[in-house]
Amino acid sequence: EVQLVESGGGLVQPGESLTVSCAASGFLFSNTYYGMNWVRQAPGKGLEWVSYIYADSSTIYYADSVRGRFTISRDNARNSVYLHMNSLRDEDTAVYYCARDRRGLQMEYWGLGTLVTVSS
Amino acid sequence: QSALTQPASVSGSPGQSITISCTGTSSDVGAYDYVSWYQQHPGQAPKVMIYDVTNRPSGVSNRFSGSKSGNTASLTISGLQAEDEADYYCSSFTVSNTAVFGGGTKVTVL
Repeated sequence: EVQLVESGGGLVQPGESLTVSCAASGFLFSNTYYGMNWVRQAPGKGLEWVSYIYADSSTIYYADSVRGRFTISRDNARNSVYLHMNSLRDEDTAVYYCARDRRGLQMEYWGLGTLVTVSS
Repeated sequence: QSALTQPASVSGSPGQSITISCTGTSSDVGAYDYVSWYQQHPGQAPKVMIYDVTNRPSGVSNRFSGSKSGNTASLTISGLQAEDEADYYCSSFTVSNTAVFGGGTKVTVL
């Protein structure tokens, strides 16, 4: 059974940094088919795609809203994907979901999410 | 990248069919067949219902079907059931190598 478990969320002040993690299990994480995505959802709002990383980290994409501030990475030995967030803003407050990519940035499996709150 | 356009709400009685539209542009929905639909119940993570415009993942009821014409994709739910009441989001791959979601549609079963 595919499982994705996010962690690392919390309360931070504007301008600070935070890294959220996603631990994967139930599939061969390093398989070339399995890119990974981060998707976020602000409280009471819709879904927003954030970033994607290919299986071997050779290809990375970002949404315009986070490019230059967020960095996605993965450690295939640890079956984990990370999102390092710098210069956080109030509008980055959201539940952050990791999701396995099917192809074409279509989310096949989702974790339960981790809440990041940016507030002074 | 602007969000795809979905109706804010759609409702129907049990047993009826409803259709949710998802309108994009020639740079997203019209450019690729990488269109997905997700169902989200309150307090839960999203779940994929349709991928590649028309394909249903294993375990998803065949009451859910997808289609696309030009820059508009659609999700049809036939034989509406109480458990179908949820928020639904479409998404598409874009020419900028990003993904864009629709604003979401709240489905109410009357």
